[in-house]
Amino acid sequence: AQKVTQAQTEISVVEKEDVTLDCVYETRDTTYYLFWYKQPPSGELVFLIRRNSFDEQNEISGRYSWNFQKSTSSFNFTITASQVVDSAVYFCALGLKGYQKVTFGTGTKLQVIP
Amino acid sequence: GAVVSQHPSWVICKSGTSVKIECRSLDFQATTMFWYRQFPKQSLMLMATSNEGSKATYEQGVEKDKFLINHASLTLSTLTVTSAHPEDSSFYICSARLPGLGLDYEQYFGPGTRLTVT
Repeated sequence: AQKVTQAQTEISVVEKEDVTLDCVYETRDTTYYLFWYKQPPSGELVFLIRRNSFDEQNEISGRYSWNFQKSTSSFNFTITASQVVDSAVYFCALGLKGYQKVTFGTGTKLQVIP
Repeated sequence: GAVVSQHPSWVICKSGTSVKIECRSLDFQATTMFWYRQFPKQSLMLMATSNEGSKATYEQGVEKDKFLINHASLTLSTLTVTSAHPEDSSFYICSARLPGLGLDYEQYFGPGTRLTVT
């Protein structure tokens, strides 16, 4: 069975600080996908990134960056120079080959204080 | 990009009544749609997988007779909460899978429907 753990329930940072959201996953499958979604107060899920298990390259998109390490089964998400608009709940998720199901972590609520 | 809509965005109903939630893929055909439920301050829990033209596959612990899912066309799946009770109050989110070859298909989420049962 697959599992996604986001140990940080809530994080508060002051604007312009960097913040890293942790994600640890468990699966016996060798082919899988990892995702990050943002859920602002409005509730709609916003897709941020998808990474397949064969691609361990880190990715940077503007202020966002992701560190995928298979050796530690982690897929951490860093926001650089955080802004108030980054305040949201962030979910890490795992999808297996065939993509029939996506297992979500419990989410990390990020509050960026001006 | 692919867009998934849900209707209504929020609904209030009385205990014992039924309510239907629609999930539509607006610019693509989705052979598979998923229904999730999210309780306040909790994660998304998959309720069922809806395949066009066939019966939905429900996750363990989800009552099939209470949460009726119909995927009648390639762009529409509906979730009907029958005989709703206050404990059914939740945020329901659907997603649609963009068909593709191999492993590389996307899943797009709708904006969610907030159900309150009084």
